[in-house]
Amino acid sequence: DSGVTQTPKHLITATGQRVTLRCSPRSGDLSVYWYQQSLDQGLQFLIQYYNGEERAKGNILERFSAQQFPDLHSELNLSSLELGDSALYFCASTEGPQPAFNEQFFGPGTRLTVL
Amino acid sequence: QQPVQSPQAVILREGEDAVINCSSSKALYSVHWYRQKHGEAPVFLMILLKGGEQKGHEKISASFNEKKQQSSLYLTASQLSYSGTYFCGATVVISNFGNEKLTFGTGTRLTIIP
Repeated sequence: DSGVTQTPKHLITATGQRVTLRCSPRSGDLSVYWYQQSLDQGLQFLIQYYNGEERAKGNILERFSAQQFPDLHSELNLSSLELGDSALYFCASTEGPQPAFNEQFFGPGTRLTVL
Repeated sequence: QQPVQSPQAVILREGEDAVINCSSSKALYSVHWYRQKHGEAPVFLMILLKGGEQKGHEKISASFNEKKQQSSLYLTASQLSYSGTYFCGATVVISNFGNEKLTFGTGTRLTIIP
């Protein structure tokens, strides 16, 4: 158990809909990262927040947005969903802001299926 | 830019050794290695910073060749528990650490058979 929690575990929805994925980092960690992993693919970095502020952006679509709240939990919002958005979404957390130096602790993931 | 891993997949018998390579087209600052079992979250193995250091973790070790912009993960006397997909992640050298990102490779699937 990494100490990172994600809800829900599974999500099934239809095209065009909007969903929210939630992540709570390990106690004491200030950074949260979101990744998308499509079937048998690598981990695509989406976005990083550090202590409530956006710190780095990856290949995040305009239809996707995220935020980190004062209690440090983070939410990833996916809207106007398409079939291709079906994937496993992971969040990870680190204590410090710099991914170069910090071990990332991954949550169990949310499996999103868009029908 | 995504680092390139090789091989894409490898099958070993228990007790055999394996090497997984990770190459970048850009100068690397750090390389991270993670293992992911099917349907589970990636688990951290080690971080190597530029300087050519080598690190070890039980029978799993790694090297970082700054000049060649590559890292190699060594698994010796493999065990069944080593099965999974191994990902390298790379951060590249930039002028400041304001927004560096960890970019993962496409993975190497390792299967250990009895």
